[in-house]
Amino acid sequence: GAVVSQHPSWVICKSGTSVKIECRSLDFQATTMFWYRQFPKQSLMLMATSNEGSKATYEQGVEKDKFLINHASLTLSTLTVTSAHPEDSSFYICSAHPGGRGTEAFFGQGTRLTVV
Amino acid sequence: GQSLEQPSEVTAVEGAIVQINCTYQTSGFYGLSWYQQHDGGAPTFLSYNALDGLEETGRFSSFLSRSDSYGYLLLQELQMKDSASYFCALRRNSGGYQKVTFGTGTKLQVIP
Repeated sequence: GAVVSQHPSWVICKSGTSVKIECRSLDFQATTMFWYRQFPKQSLMLMATSNEGSKATYEQGVEKDKFLINHASLTLSTLTVTSAHPEDSSFYICSAHPGGRGTEAFFGQGTRLTVV
Repeated sequence: GQSLEQPSEVTAVEGAIVQINCTYQTSGFYGLSWYQQHDGGAPTFLSYNALDGLEETGRFSSFLSRSDSYGYLLLQELQMKDSASYFCALRRNSGGYQKVTFGTGTKLQVIP
């Protein structure tokens, strides 16, 4: 089956530093990937839609200058949390639809970010 | 906007049947999906309803009624490993992209 791989699975960083999270589609090409954030005991909230070769589309209330998204190839999207603060500590998950539009989403393993 | 409401917690006995409801306030979507998420893990796909009615996949079944803006996930022969959070999700087209909006989530606890 389709596999979406996310790295790292967890990261601890100091406040003010930047962290990059990678999302790869291992056996299919993904022109579009999605980035979600999930706080403890809450649902997944869509942050942005990552588009290969063009700018990402951010959801309302998500700071594009803080959460930089780069989708440089058909198999890789990266999310960089810049100048991280403790309130950015969360579970970040990416997803893609291997079959294209109208098909089911496959999720990466998620990245637990802790900012100290 | 879109909102999908679910009960926050459900407790059921091993071997029993449990139904998790999902009510929503939106229109113009492809279908309703259900995902399972264990603590610390990523969501995994369980079931999908594009049309009204019941879809059965092994121990899991899902139901959708567009006229009632309502769906549910039915888990039969509950096992301890079914203890997890369950999310309904709507697939819809937004700005030319297919987006998935998740429900509030239901934490299921299966007890012996």
